[in-house]
Amino acid sequence: AQTVTQSQPEMSVQEAETVTLSCTYDTSESDYYLFWYKQPPSRQMILVIRQEAYKQQNATENRFSVNFQKAAKSFSLKISDSQLGDAAMYFCAYCRPPFTLSNFGNEKLTFGTGTRLTIIP
Amino acid sequence: DVKVTQSSRYLVKRTGEKVFLECVQDMDHENMFWYRQDPGLGLRLIYFSYDVKMKEKGDIPEGYSVSREKKERFSLILESASTNQTSMYLCASSPPGLAGPMGRTQYFGPGTRLTVL
Repeated sequence: AQTVTQSQPEMSVQEAETVTLSCTYDTSESDYYLFWYKQPPSRQMILVIRQEAYKQQNATENRFSVNFQKAAKSFSLKISDSQLGDAAMYFCAYCRPPFTLSNFGNEKLTFGTGTRLTIIP
Repeated sequence: DVKVTQSSRYLVKRTGEKVFLECVQDMDHENMFWYRQDPGLGLRLIYFSYDVKMKEKGDIPEGYSVSREKKERFSLILESASTNQTSMYLCASSPPGLAGPMGRTQYFGPGTRLTVL
């Protein structure tokens, strides 16, 4: 079974600085998908960024980027120019690829335990 | 705009009560999910459904059941609530092909914080 590990329960960063959140995973698959989700206090969880394992290029979304190390099974999230609105719980998640055209079984995400990020003004 | 709603933000029930948590999505998504979120444990999948009247167990289905009679609605049922079911419950939905080239994702509801006394 796949597992996702986030070893940092809490992190803090000064506003405008850069912070990196760690995530490691375990899988026997060669192709899969990785995600970072953000859950702000009392607000809904939203997708921050995703990475396809077959792509060597690291995904980037504005101030958010990932460092995907496939051999090491590592998937860290870097937040540049941290803003107060970045304060949230961040979850790393893994999804196995679709095996057939069937929809069934393609959509299950395995989540890590989360990292609570605090932004210091 | 994408919308997943859950019937209650906060719910307090007594041990042994039958509890219904409702989730509705307006995006015509095939897939719907129920997770529970606990500190230090992250999100754990309880049940999911990939079509009307279809359901599959997730990682922690014990003590729960689900119902999907209509595409837009997915209900989580606690047949006899217990104190260890006190938790935050999150519903999510997604179109088929989460892992496909279109980059779709799961959309989450606001959550229901259930307390069982």
